[in-house]
Amino acid sequence: DTGVSQNPRHKITKRGQNVTFRCDPISEHNRLYWYRQTLGQGPEFLTYFQNEAQLEKSRLLSDRFSAERPKGSFSTLEIQRTEQGDSAMYLCASTLATGSSIFGDTEAFFGQGTRLTVV
Amino acid sequence: GNSVTQMEGPVTLSEEAFLTINCTYTATGYPSLFWYVQYPGEGLQLLLKATKADDKGSNKGFEATYRKETTSFHLEKGSVQVSDSAVYFCALSLGGGDYKLSFGAGTTVTVRA
Repeated sequence: DTGVSQNPRHKITKRGQNVTFRCDPISEHNRLYWYRQTLGQGPEFLTYFQNEAQLEKSRLLSDRFSAERPKGSFSTLEIQRTEQGDSAMYLCASTLATGSSIFGDTEAFFGQGTRLTVV
Repeated sequence: GNSVTQMEGPVTLSEEAFLTINCTYTATGYPSLFWYVQYPGEGLQLLLKATKADDKGSNKGFEATYRKETTSFHLEKGSVQVSDSAVYFCALSLGGGDYKLSFGAGTTVTVRA
């Protein structure tokens, strides 16, 4: 397995356009997370899936954002009507839930991210 | 809410110098604590972690001890190398079914030869 893969690596779009990013997690991982990172800040949680179910969404995820994980494999994050404030690095991470509330998930593996620039 | 505050950078050091990056946290319950590292052009990687009070995480010469009494998880390395130049992020997760990570702002470390 080559790790978590994100595509595209870079995306430049005009304000008002829609964009879609893809994340391919490590194949046996059942949890998938999306984070957003702006310049000079740490990643901020957006949403996560366990298998195909979206279990939590941050209030950062406005109505213009939608994420899916059909069949519990890859995930897509779509931003509609992009705004300049959406410019950021979008990170995907995956983990394997162990089912233990003490030991938690396995280590989170991150992709290299998709850098979005809205002009 | 849950939050992580880490030492602001950037930090510039000479090779073989001692590195410490301060990290404090605010959280309900008993979080797990992590240090992630991002080398230039690469994704975030887990450097070390600690899951309960007084645990010490260690990896690649780096260490951090989970101090519940001071709500801290400071990162240290006794002798840095140029290859340690990276951005370091302190993070926490609450566990108990909530494993999303809350990150600090990151500290950029540059080690000069």
